[in-house]
Amino acid sequence: DTGVSQDPRHKITKRGQNVTFRCDPISEHNRLYWYRQTLGQGPEFLTYFQNEAQLEKSRLLSDRFSAERPKGSFSTLEIQRTEQGDSAMYLCASSSISGEGQFFGPGTRLTVL
Amino acid sequence: GESVGLHLPTLSVQEGDNSIINCAYSNSASDYFIWYKQESGKGPQFIIDIRSNMDKRQGQRVTVLLNKTVKHLSLQIAATQPGDSAVYFCAERRAGSYQLTFGKGTKLSVIP
Repeated sequence: DTGVSQDPRHKITKRGQNVTFRCDPISEHNRLYWYRQTLGQGPEFLTYFQNEAQLEKSRLLSDRFSAERPKGSFSTLEIQRTEQGDSAMYLCASSSISGEGQFFGPGTRLTVL
Repeated sequence: GESVGLHLPTLSVQEGDNSIINCAYSNSASDYFIWYKQESGKGPQFIIDIRSNMDKRQGQRVTVLLNKTVKHLSLQIAATQPGDSAVYFCAERRAGSYQLTFGKGTKLSVIP
């Protein structure tokens, strides 16, 4: 399967704990995006990378959130001191340099107890 | 603020009929649009896209129409099948940006 992959698929954590998610984009894609989706809503943009550079961040990305793409391939999204409001599906997508055709992975469902 | 929205939250169609899912957008600076299909527990699946310099684009069993005058986007699915049952989102991208803005989605139910 050469699509976008995400790990883990599900994560249950206690409030206050840190969590880290991983995304592996389609191999030839330069751009990588993170979105968050809550139940019944469309995905909301968090941030995106062109190669290893983080170029856009949403105001939704509080200082507890950090994303990296150190070698321009896979990316990680870390949430520190998780809160119940962080419970959501975290989606990763990738695209070619044109930015057209963003293809999503299966997502990581986070539940904060 | 400006955002992408949908006319109907749910749509039920008979198997074999054609489906039309509508989307209204208000950002005149958007230059690119995508339709996604999302099944329960899965990530959004790319269906078809269209640039703002086009009015119509066809894929396999799907057609996207763009009316920039009234800022309206539609997805037509021909000969709807039970496997088409899902939530459909339209998404817009503003010129100069790479982030997508999604609407709330339309749930399509296909009646066998």
